Amino acid sequence: GDSVTQMEGPVTLSEEAFLTINCTYTATGYPSLFWYVQYPGEGLQLLLKATKADDKGSNKGFEATYRKETTSFHLEKGSVQVSDSAVYFCALSDRQTGANNLFFGTGTRLTVIP
Amino acid sequence: DAGVTQSPTHLIKTRGQQVTLRCSPKSGHDTVSWYQQALGQGPQFIFQYYEEEERQRGNFPDRFSGHQFPNYSSELNVNALWLGDSALYLCASSLGLAGHNEQFFGPGTRLTVL
Repeated sequence: GDSVTQMEGPVTLSEEAFLTINCTYTATGYPSLFWYVQYPGEGLQLLLKATKADDKGSNKGFEATYRKETTSFHLEKGSVQVSDSAVYFCALSDRQTGANNLFFGTGTRLTVIP
Repeated sequence: DAGVTQSPTHLIKTRGQQVTLRCSPKSGHDTVSWYQQALGQGPQFIFQYYEEEERQRGNFPDRFSGHQFPNYSSELNVNALWLGDSALYLCASSLGLAGHNEQFFGPGTRLTVL
């Protein structure tokens, strides 16, 4: 079945540090991959996505590359800010199911300290 | 342009009771999905509605049922509540069923079962 395995947190970094959150997936078909972010007190928001192998999604300084050979979609940011503190979820949508429901990882809580 | 709205915001029920949660999709969207997010976990897919039909269902018992109305809004019903149903229930909407389409999430309904 479809599943997402995500690096567990929590992760605490100093401002301007480099961030990597690992995500690997298992899918029966050829999935689209997503990173969602949940800021404190807010709903889930799409951060970035990639729909085919070697695609790079990017937004707000965050990047992730769809690696089919390693079934991975790791999230990176070169210099984090305090405002990046949130919970990050890796997710996939398996196009073979005929629906676009999402399979989520367990989430990684990031705290950035000044 | 209103995003996805959900009601109520919070709800407290006792074991054995029934509950109905409501969702209005983002303007222009025709597909609604429901997710359950337990504390500290990623959202788990419950089911998805498109053209007033349940198109896909996750691993949830028949106590969980839903409906989509002609205006694309949706309800989630849970019968015979038990403690383990306490969670944040998220509604997401999208345009069509294509796997690469972004799903927009509402703020959720926090259900507490005592």
